[in-house]
This record gives sequence, C-alpha cells and structure tokens, in this order.
Amino acid sequence: DTAVSQTPKYLVTQMGNDKSIKCEQNLGHDTMYWYKQDSKKFLKIMFSYNNKELIINETVPNRFSPKSPDKAHLNLHINSLELGDSAVYFCASRVGQGEKAFFGQGTRLTVV
Amino acid sequence: QKEVEQDPGPLSVPEGAIVSLNCTYSNSAFQYFMWYRQYSRKGPELLMYTYSSGNKEDGRFTAQVDKSSKYISLFIRDSQPSDSATYLCAMSETYMYSGGGADGLTFGKGTHLIIQP
Repeated sequence: DTAVSQTPKYLVTQMGNDKSIKCEQNLGHDTMYWYKQDSKKFLKIMFSYNNKELIINETVPNRFSPKSPDKAHLNLHINSLELGDSAVYFCASRVGQGEKAFFGQGTRLTVV
Repeated sequence: QKEVEQDPGPLSVPEGAIVSLNCTYSNSAFQYFMWYRQYSRKGPELLMYTYSSGNKEDGRFTAQVDKSSKYISLFIRDSQPSDSATYLCAMSETYMYSGGGADGLTFGKGTHLIIQP
C-alpha cells in the first residue's frame, strides 16, 4: 500500500489556469507538508499542516493555498498559474517531533 | 550563507567502491539528520535517520553525524549500479506546537551519484 499518494502524477496546463493537486497519507501522521523541487533538484518547503492547522507558511505567492479537509489529506490549490510555477511538487507526512518524513512520488507540473 | 551545503556532483565511482557523501550545515539547532535517496522522476526515499551525534549502520549504509563540526556523512560500502541516484541530506530542529516555530526538513541540494558497472 502506498503510504503517501499524490494525484495527478503529471499536470500540463496553460498560464492563468487554476489547478489542484491532491495528497493523501495512510500513516496516521500528524503533520503533512508540501515541497517544491525546482529544475536544479533543490527541495524547498512550502507549507506544513499539523492537525488541520497551518504551522508554517514559507514565502510563497498567495496564489498557492493548502487545504486540509481532514488529517489524512492536504491538497494544494494554485490560482493563476505562471510559467515559473513549473516544477515537481512533493507531498510529505511526518508523525511528529523530529520524526522522519515520508514523501509521495511527486506531481510534475508544467505550465505552458 | 545557505543553511545546508552539499556538493551536487556528479560523483562517479566504479562498482564495489566505498562512497562517501557529505553535508555541512550552519544551524546549530539542527538535531535530527536524514539521508534520502531519489531516483529519477521518483519521490525521495528515506535511507537513514539519526538523532544528534554518532554513527548508525544499516546494511551497506553508515550515517555519521558530528555536531561539533556541523558535518554529516553517508558511507556506502560495496557500491552497486542500483545505488546510482541523487542523495539528499536533510535535517530539522526540535518541532514545536501551539504557535511556536515549527519546521519541516531543510534539504541540501543533493549529490548525483553514478556507480559504473
């Protein structure tokens, strides 16, 4: 069984569109994250959610908004997509303090 | 100065060699240290997890943490072509709830490792 799953795996869309990426974890973890990996493979945290509460919000544009309907899900909504948003987006989850994080397989977003 | 420094490589070694991968960091509050392996077009996969200083061994992999030097290493013995991947170091501080600061993982940029058959 996949511990952290993301959909879709690939997403190609035009500039200006609004899109969502879904993430689900079946590990019972308390905290979920979204990371962005750029073309140089650098992973940078975007958001984290703990028990449905936003804990940190890095300096990302407000066009990006995480939404967590329940503890097992953290979806990423992106409005007015721009070319620079093209990247691979990873969802991750973690049980708690200092614990290791587990990652999904990534969503490769291409904005054309 | 970046928080976590990691040589991006590529690092190319012959099969069977011992591989040494390293990261340095500047934030002395980091307590938890991890190594992830990422194959092309896949998500990062956790390899090793250590708390504070010391060594940890798991099969062909050994992780070392030297907090006094702010330096962590991953050693791979008897390297195999299947070990070819990008290796990312990651670290985090103590996690605080209830309005305090909280963190995810801070990653190095990853080292691209190639094991030649």
